[in-house]
Amino acid sequence: DTEVTQTPKHLVMGMTNKKSLKCEQHMGHRAMYWYKQKAKKPPELMFVYSYEKLSINESVPSRFSPECPNSSLLNLHLHALQPEDSALYLCASSPSRGAKNIQYFGAGTRLSVL
Amino acid sequence: AQTVTQSQPEMSVQEAETVTLSCTYDTSESNYYLFWYKQPPSRQMILVIRQEAYKQQNATENRFSVNFQKAAKSFSLKISDSQLGDTAMYFCAFSMEYGNKLVFGAGTILRVKS
Repeated sequence: DTEVTQTPKHLVMGMTNKKSLKCEQHMGHRAMYWYKQKAKKPPELMFVYSYEKLSINESVPSRFSPECPNSSLLNLHLHALQPEDSALYLCASSPSRGAKNIQYFGAGTRLSVL
Repeated sequence: AQTVTQSQPEMSVQEAETVTLSCTYDTSESNYYLFWYKQPPSRQMILVIRQEAYKQQNATENRFSVNFQKAAKSFSLKISDSQLGDTAMYFCAFSMEYGNKLVFGAGTILRVKS
């Protein structure tokens, strides 16, 4: 099973709302990632968790707050977003850090900020 | 810093024919990994093929093969016997040996026509 599950598939929120994106994997992977992808553009790395600790933050604005409650679950908490934050948010996981470890992606959450 | 360039924004191919997607990269590292990911309209990024830079032999996966030219820093993807299900955005990506940041190219939209 190489499945990374993301919920919800679609999310519409206002600029004053608070919402969360969820990502789950049951492959025993110890590294998990959040990416942001605009239409017809490549994914941009936002955060990396390794062994449930935040190891990379690509200077992401504080209105995005990641959380890794356990090794299977990764959340992205959203607050006071801007319309330009509308995008596809992809989660990925890999067995551990290092390029030998292939990243497996979820199908993403399509976020619209009104 | 590493960069990845895909010079073909869009390509089309007839079903059952062969198509080659181009990718060049720039790095001063001697060992690294190169990837081709596919993103169909369903949005999920799927690994197509992976190449380790220290391996001379070109990677192959069924109908997919690469032409890896390390000196030229070129990593093209050949798709043989193209199928309608191959229609997708294809991203070339680079990762350092002990890193887990994927550097993506801009992508190539491939359309397979019947």
